[in-house]
Amino acid sequence: EVPLVESGGGLVKPGGSLRLSCAASGFSFGNYMMNWVRQAPGKGLEWVSSITGTSSSRYYADSVKGRFTISRDNARNSLYLHMNSLSAEDTAMYYCVRTKTAGPIPWFDPWGQGTLVTVSS
Amino acid sequence: QTVVTQEPSLSVSPGGTVTLTCGLSSGSVSTNSYPSWYQQTPGQAPRTLIFKTNARSSGVPDRYSGSILGNKAALTITGAQADDECDYYCALYMGSGVWVFGGGTKVTVL
Repeated sequence: EVPLVESGGGLVKPGGSLRLSCAASGFSFGNYMMNWVRQAPGKGLEWVSSITGTSSSRYYADSVKGRFTISRDNARNSLYLHMNSLSAEDTAMYYCVRTKTAGPIPWFDPWGQGTLVTVSS
Repeated sequence: QTVVTQEPSLSVSPGGTVTLTCGLSSGSVSTNSYPSWYQQTPGQAPRTLIFKTNARSSGVPDRYSGSILGNKAALTITGAQADDECDYYCALYMGSGVWVFGGGTKVTVL
């Protein structure tokens, strides 16, 4: 069973919007901080956004602040990323990732398989 | 802006040892940065290798080890094998929910 499955990627025009979804299974979703991490073609990993288990706090990379909104629905075991004002620089594979912790110490695990977002006219 | 530095590429002979490092453009990496390491083969999602500086994730062979070397986090591969040839990323937790990844190291086994 794959614990994190992303969907919603596709081709969108510059300036457009898209909503990504991540379906979680096999763990108590609401107990975990969740994240989006992206990877542009041929490039490295970039942390995009995080949200606490209760949605009380949300965090964003400077590159997406004001354009992207992270949200979650714990009743549906789902994580979302609402993306607005998209540009070519947002073209990337977007991964849904759980934050695991040991006391105060966090790390990413597991990773979803990703959903590809392409911004092009 | 915080920049996390990694060697762009390293090579190792089969059976050899290679150490990848993860540094900060300003300052030192310590255990308080909670360094973690991720492995990515082409076309695949990343896989967690090391967390909490030196703890191996489930199923990760013990030829992978993490540490702090001087002012950097380090990932050492001992007894390199052909399937170790891929990309490796470190991540540092900056606090307040913010993370920064290094640029990644491409390891070649030859």
